[in-house]
Amino acid sequence: QKEVEQNSGPLSVPEGAIASLNCTYSDRGSQSFFWYRQYSGKSPELIMSIYSNGDKEDGRFTAQLNKASQYVSLLIRDSQPSDSATYLCAVEAGSARQLTFGSGTQLTVLP
Amino acid sequence: DTEVTQTPKHLVMGMTNKKSLKCEQHMGHRAMYWYKQKAKKPPELMFVYSYEKLSINESVPSRFSPECPNSSLLNLHLHALQPEDSALYLCASSPAAGGTYEQYFGPGTRLTVT
Repeated sequence: QKEVEQNSGPLSVPEGAIASLNCTYSDRGSQSFFWYRQYSGKSPELIMSIYSNGDKEDGRFTAQLNKASQYVSLLIRDSQPSDSATYLCAVEAGSARQLTFGSGTQLTVLP
Repeated sequence: DTEVTQTPKHLVMGMTNKKSLKCEQHMGHRAMYWYKQKAKKPPELMFVYSYEKLSINESVPSRFSPECPNSSLLNLHLHALQPEDSALYLCASSPAAGGTYEQYFGPGTRLTVT
């Protein structure tokens, strides 16, 4: 079992819709969770961090964390074509407590 | 300001060359990282520096040699690389070492080994 799993997609949503990206993790001791956005040919950009169960909102982005279910998600409201990118879930995990990345979900927002 | 800078943006080198990648941050962060990313794969951790000392080496071949001259600078010295080492090399920094802290990535150096 991979430490951090994401649906690889591709995920396509129409402009203005809600995009839902999901991530599960295997390390029950994980306490820190991050979402990065990576445009093609560019480096990862941190968009959200979440540490407590529940929802955390920042503009059009909402991160949701459920430690009991070992599940973290990212909702993007009013999706725009500029949101088209690969979204990487990163979790503090492993014996060294470093970031472990999921394989990423490729999102396409259709005009 | 959450800027991490990296030079060069692109690098092409032969298998017998020696080159260096450079990374700089001015956020006062005390941890810096090197990651390697292959196409359509997530970043893979290579090295972690904490307070200018190497704290983690993820079993990286010795042809990659990191150096942290001071708290703002991180270098990666390359020697006798193989074509399979071609990848995007990413530098990141965080307030302290470990996955608890937000890490900010530089733009990366795209390395091609011929």
